This record gives sequence, C-alpha cells and structure tokens, in this order.
Amino acid sequence: QKEVEQNSGPLSVPEGAIASLNCTYSDRVSQSFFWYRQYSGKSPELIMSIYSNGDKEDGRFTAQLNKASQYVSLLIRDSQPSDSATYLCAGQNTGNQFYFGTGTSLTVIP
Amino acid sequence: DADVTQTPRNRITKTGKRIMLECSQTKGHDRMYWYRQDPGLGLRLIYYSFDVKDINKGEISDGYSVSRQAQAKFSLSLESAIPNQTALYFCATSQAVEADTQYFGPGTRLTVL
Repeated sequence: QKEVEQNSGPLSVPEGAIASLNCTYSDRVSQSFFWYRQYSGKSPELIMSIYSNGDKEDGRFTAQLNKASQYVSLLIRDSQPSDSATYLCAGQNTGNQFYFGTGTSLTVIP
Repeated sequence: DADVTQTPRNRITKTGKRIMLECSQTKGHDRMYWYRQDPGLGLRLIYYSFDVKDINKGEISDGYSVSRQAQAKFSLSLESAIPNQTALYFCATSQAVEADTQYFGPGTRLTVL
C-alpha cells in the first residue's frame, strides 16, 4: 500500500454543491495531514492542515480526520468554478518526511 | 517578490549532461525540500534538509544529489541526466513552529532528451 492514496477522479460537481475529496493513509504516516490545491501548471498551495481526530473548518472548507480508520477528507461547500483544480492530500511521518497522494482532479460546473 | 524562487523555470537538456536546479527562499525557514512531480505519480520527495549541516534522502534520491549552501539556498543536481528524470521539480520550505506547513516554489520543468 502506498503511504497516501487518493482517488484520482475526475470528480465533477455543479456550482453550489458540496465536493467531497477522500484520502487514506498507511501506518507509515501518522503525524499530521495536509490538503493542497494545485491549479494546472502552478505549484501546490496549502488549504488546510489537521492533526487531531475530528473536523476542522475554515470558511467553505472542512477537513476531517479519522485515525482509527486512517482516512482524511476535505469537504468544499458552495463549490465555485474557481475551485476547479487538483487537490493533493499529504501526510507526515514521525521522521518529518512528507508523502503525497497522486491528487484528485475536481471540476466545478457552472 | 516571491518568497521561494527556483531557477531555471524551464530547461531542456540531453542525456548524460550535468544539470543543477537552484532554490532560494526569503522566508527565513530552516527546512527545505526537493520534490519531483510526474503525471499519475504525484509529488515524490527526493531530498530534504533541516539545516545547513543536515541532508536526508527522500523516497527517490537515486540519480540526484543536493547541496545546502546556506540557510536560504538548496540546490539539486543531476550528475548525468537520463530521460526518465524528465519531470516538474518543486522546491519547498517549512518551519517547524508552523507545524511543517510547506510553501512551494513555482517549479522547474526539466526535459531530458
């Protein structure tokens, strides 16, 4: 199993809907988890980080972490066409190495 | 000015050539990283450095070497480039006090013919 796995998509949602992105991780990744957004041809930019079980909300974004089930999710409420991008899930291990998933492509349809 | 800069932004080279990619940062961060990104494979860590005297291999270090010339500079070298090193390369920085939030440079697109 790869350290961090994501469904590559593509995922399409209508404007205004909730987009749900999911990520699972292996036992090698246990410390902290991050969601990055990457527009085509651009560098990744951090959306949210989460370290503890439960939900963390920031504006239209909510990250969820379930350590027992080893999954991390990102919910985007009121999706906008500008949210169309590839979303990368990343985890950090105790040695401070980062492992990224392959990314999920999201398209928000106007 | 950008906080994390990479040079060159694009490079085309031939098999067997030595290539150096450079990364500079003005964020004052201690930690610096080099990643490569390939379609379908995502971002993979090549090397990382937590300070000037600390260099660590990442997931895919074979065929690469690095140099941390100063806190603000971290270079990646391909001693003898091969076609499967064609990829998009990103430098990133982080600071432990920010729980290792990484900030990425704009990327270098390298093509090895």
